[in-house]
Amino acid sequence: SQTIHQWPATLVQPVGSPLSLECTVEGTSNPNLYWYRQAAGRGLQLLFYSVGIGQISSEVPQNLSASRPQDRQFILSSKKLLLSDSGFYLCAWRYSYNTEAFFGQGTRLTVV
Amino acid sequence: LAKTTQPISMDSYEGQEVNITCSHNNIATNDYITWYQQFPSQGPRFIIQGYKTKVTNEVASLFIPADRKSSTLSLPRVSLSDTAVYYCLVGFLSGSARQLTFGSGTQLTVLP
Repeated sequence: SQTIHQWPATLVQPVGSPLSLECTVEGTSNPNLYWYRQAAGRGLQLLFYSVGIGQISSEVPQNLSASRPQDRQFILSSKKLLLSDSGFYLCAWRYSYNTEAFFGQGTRLTVV
Repeated sequence: LAKTTQPISMDSYEGQEVNITCSHNNIATNDYITWYQQFPSQGPRFIIQGYKTKVTNEVASLFIPADRKSSTLSLPRVSLSDTAVYYCLVGFLSGSARQLTFGSGTQLTVLP
């Protein structure tokens, strides 16, 4: 069966520090991968999606970047965090031919 | 991608049937309609998908009129645990990968 792992669950980082959030998927191959951010009380904002290794599409110009070094690994990064980067970050995967997506447990990031 | 419009919030009482309608006037011929449920501090969870007419599973029903410009998610006999945000998504199936873009969703509050 397929599983998605996302870590860490919570993170408190100072402004200006770097960020690296990792997401891995097991039990599947060539999934579409997604990074979302959700501010408190708001909807999900699509940040990046990837259809394959090294292929990243950015939805919103911002302080973040994403990489997909392996088929089932998706990494969200920042060189210098801003206060506005605080939020709930979610990773998701799906097959391109299916409408059902599966989400990780999320990372609660607080930038102080 | 077709834009979706949903009510911001709805209240209901335990045991009632709840219908949440989503408008998607610009839906394309090949687009599917999918609904997700999200609890606080969790990732969204797939509920149901459909293309036309009616689809039913163990959780909900999805009604889609002939013109497909709207859809209605029906939750039978809701309980307090159905309190969540419900998202309607349209148009992410194709021969190649598509985005998975969530709108603002509908906050359903089930009251005792």
